[in-house]
Amino acid sequence: GAVVSQHPSWVICKSGTSVKIECRSLDFQATTMFWYRQFPKQSLMLMATSNEGSKATYEQGVEKDKFLINHASLTLSTLTVTSAHPEDSSFYICSARRGPVAAFFGQGTRLTVV
Amino acid sequence: QQQVKQSPQSLIVQKGGIPIINCAYENTAFDYFPWYQQFPGKGPALLIAIRPDVSEKKEGRFTISFNKSAKQFSLHIMDSQPGDSATYFCAATSNDYKLSFGAGTTVTVRA
Repeated sequence: GAVVSQHPSWVICKSGTSVKIECRSLDFQATTMFWYRQFPKQSLMLMATSNEGSKATYEQGVEKDKFLINHASLTLSTLTVTSAHPEDSSFYICSARRGPVAAFFGQGTRLTVV
Repeated sequence: QQQVKQSPQSLIVQKGGIPIINCAYENTAFDYFPWYQQFPGKGPALLIAIRPDVSEKKEGRFTISFNKSAKQFSLHIMDSQPGDSATYFCAATSNDYKLSFGAGTTVTVRA
């Protein structure tokens, strides 16, 4: 299958700081990438859809000013959690769409805000 | 509100058994139904997927059965192994490419 790389795998940051997570499609070009959040023992919750060269589309209830998404190229999308607080601690996962529908996921980023 | 309902929440089988996970949906616009396997601390990995014009699809030990009229689909893991112990998610999507996930099923295969 296609390879999607997410970096970092885990990060610890202080409350009030910002954290950037990168999502790269390594062997294909992805016009659309998605960002998810997953709480322990729960399903994936879609946060936003990231389209190359245009503004991200956020799901209802997701603060776009807190979760900044940039999709500057066909292989890279970034999620920046601004002014992070402990309640932002979670597992963040990106996916990239390849072809008609297939979505391939990154390995996820465990964010802990202290 | 979850658009795809998945059951059971968890199940335990002996090695060689056949775990069966069921999913149901309401949105008739869904036209692609993938299954994902997730290990702790990792992202989901695409296992197998099906479209509604096919009633069954097999890939290795994984089989999807699809009942379009009932709007239900299921995953069977044949000859299950301890290495299959993971959380499995069914999902569905339409032409907006957004995946709606089920709640997940934790499968434990005992040696």
